[in-house]
Amino acid sequence: EAEVAQSPRYKITEKSQAVAFWCDPISGHATLYWYRQILGQGPELLVQFQDESVVDDSQLPKDRFSAERLKGVDSTLKIQPAELGDSAMYLCASSLELGDEQYFGPGTRLTVT
Amino acid sequence: GESVGLHLPTLSVQEGDNSIINCAYSNSASDYFIWYKQESGKGPQFIIDIRSNMDKRQGQRVTVLLNKTVKHLSLQIAATQPGDSAVYFCAPGSNYKLTFGKGTLLTVNP
Repeated sequence: EAEVAQSPRYKITEKSQAVAFWCDPISGHATLYWYRQILGQGPELLVQFQDESVVDDSQLPKDRFSAERLKGVDSTLKIQPAELGDSAMYLCASSLELGDEQYFGPGTRLTVT
Repeated sequence: GESVGLHLPTLSVQEGDNSIINCAYSNSASDYFIWYKQESGKGPQFIIDIRSNMDKRQGQRVTVLLNKTVKHLSLQIAATQPGDSAVYFCAPGSNYKLTFGKGTLLTVNP
């Protein structure tokens, strides 16, 4: 069964450092999502892509976060510089098209020290 | 904006009992609703969804009820099993965007 792949699974970084996460969606899925999930809370959408274009990045802290999906397939989410409050699970999801069922990857657990 | 609440942050049931997880939402423009299950260390997994033009939908051992008048939905799990232990999220959707609630931790006691 096809799955969304994410790496790394765990990342520990010091504050002010740069960190990057990678996501490979299910093959053929045009829509890709990045969510942040703080411990004890539900996922919060950061950015949403349709192919290589950003559809919604209204909740992305653009002063330090950036996301790209250059070829409309895999995607990278970057934080620079990382802050203590960025410690969270970063989840990637994909769907066939906008509005279709979202399939989530296992997430990257980020700890900022 | 959307705010999503859950009436009970934790729910403990005996194996074999039925479980009911509740969710309140605020955005009357929400036109579809999804329940997700999240096990420890994993990403959320789709359970069942319902469109706003429906008030009930059934799946395998799960039923979702939607009451748009009071902006409330519930997830019923029949004959709860230990493997059902997880955090359950409701996620109302509008304009292709989901808003997740805080989640309810369901613990199934053998």
